[in-house]
Amino acid sequence: DAGVIQSPRHEVTEMGQEVTLRCKPISGHDYLFWYRQTMMRGLELLIYFNNNVPIDDSGMPEDRFSAKMPNASFSTLKIQPSEPRDSAVYFCASSPRQGSYEQYFGPGTRLTVT
Amino acid sequence: GENVEQHPSTLSVQEGDSAVIKCTYSDSASNYFPWYKQELGKRPQLIIDIRSNVGEKKDQRIAVTLNKTAKHFSLHITETQPEDSAVYFCAAKYTGFQKLVFGTGTRLLVSP
Repeated sequence: DAGVIQSPRHEVTEMGQEVTLRCKPISGHDYLFWYRQTMMRGLELLIYFNNNVPIDDSGMPEDRFSAKMPNASFSTLKIQPSEPRDSAVYFCASSPRQGSYEQYFGPGTRLTVT
Repeated sequence: GENVEQHPSTLSVQEGDSAVIKCTYSDSASNYFPWYKQELGKRPQLIIDIRSNVGEKKDQRIAVTLNKTAKHFSLHITETQPEDSAVYFCAAKYTGFQKLVFGTGTRLLVSP
């Protein structure tokens, strides 16, 4: 298996622009997680899905952030409009099934908003 | 609410020494405790985990211990090597949720 795949790996954009981050979980995994990592705030869970349904979005910072999972093999995290404080590394992770709690992380997307 | 505290934030050791990182959690019903290693510029990777029905688990040079009464768990690395240098994160899974709550990380530096 190729593991969790994320794209793009790096994104540089200007303030106010829309940013879309993409994730393909490991095939057969039921859970998908989006995290944000910064030096100041560490590793924060933004939202997670179970079988494509959002379960907990309490970590989504504000309405500028939205996430979707239209099918079992694809998810997006969108920021519109982007702000400099959104600059961070965004990780996607997947987990096999309920009762199996290991999470496997993708390589991350480094987002820079200027 | 859910909270995981991790100490120390940085740890410097000489090659061959042991390193210990400690975490405490707040939910007494928490039942799964993984440790992740993150090298510079890379993704967090699971290195060892423990469930609440055991007190200790070992895998070669790394071990994790769990004290459910005190609500803390620790990562032990013996015979440290320079390639052990990384940031280590503990986490706890809370009952009723599939999500993990992560500690703030420990930067381990192993000097040759």
